[in-house]
Amino acid sequence: DAGITQSPRHKVTETGTPVTLRCHQTENHRYMYWYRQDPGHGLRLIHYSYGVKDTDKGEVSDGYSVSRSKTEDFLLTLESATSSQTSVYFCAIGERGEKAETQYFGPGTRLLVL
Amino acid sequence: SQQGEEDPQALSIQEGENATMNCSYKTSINNLQWYRQNSGRGLVHLILIRSNEREKHSGRLRVTLDTSKKSSSLLITASRAADTASYFCATQAALEYGNKLVFGAGTILRVKS
Repeated sequence: DAGITQSPRHKVTETGTPVTLRCHQTENHRYMYWYRQDPGHGLRLIHYSYGVKDTDKGEVSDGYSVSRSKTEDFLLTLESATSSQTSVYFCAIGERGEKAETQYFGPGTRLLVL
Repeated sequence: SQQGEEDPQALSIQEGENATMNCSYKTSINNLQWYRQNSGRGLVHLILIRSNEREKHSGRLRVTLDTSKKSSSLLITASRAADTASYFCATQAALEYGNKLVFGAGTILRVKS
């Protein structure tokens, strides 16, 4: 978890409310990712960023938006939270080496939508 | 849809025994990676094996890759209670602009002391 923090770590919210999760890195990595983890599904990519203001959709992007105005911060927003978005959310940063990339994960945010 | 699928879904062994987990995938890959997740924590990268490699070692970990069968295995030798965790394989298709890792559902390993 070194160099990556997520806030909040836990959140309970109501259906229909907006929610923003923050990922902060101190590693100056170019690539950042948001995943959600649900039982039986492993990790699924929501959105990712390959630079400041450069983002793209992942496998399960519906209902989510992201922004990256600084290298170190990547925000995930649920515009109108639904119960199906109850999950554990992980941020990751990517290190691009020679012909491969490994990712480093934050501690996660547990989100409960009532 | 998920690229990797781990087998078994859960594994329970005694301390000192070896643990083997398998991963199958569907499409061509550039590399395959294994990650560990302790309960309530984020994933930690364990080892990466490239598509032109067949076997790789790191401490008590041994990873094999068979691209003809589109499968990989992770062997943990002389397991310890501290190895209790979930293990995920993840495939990377290519290092294109915005390339991504695709994770399997994971194997839950329990090592009993």
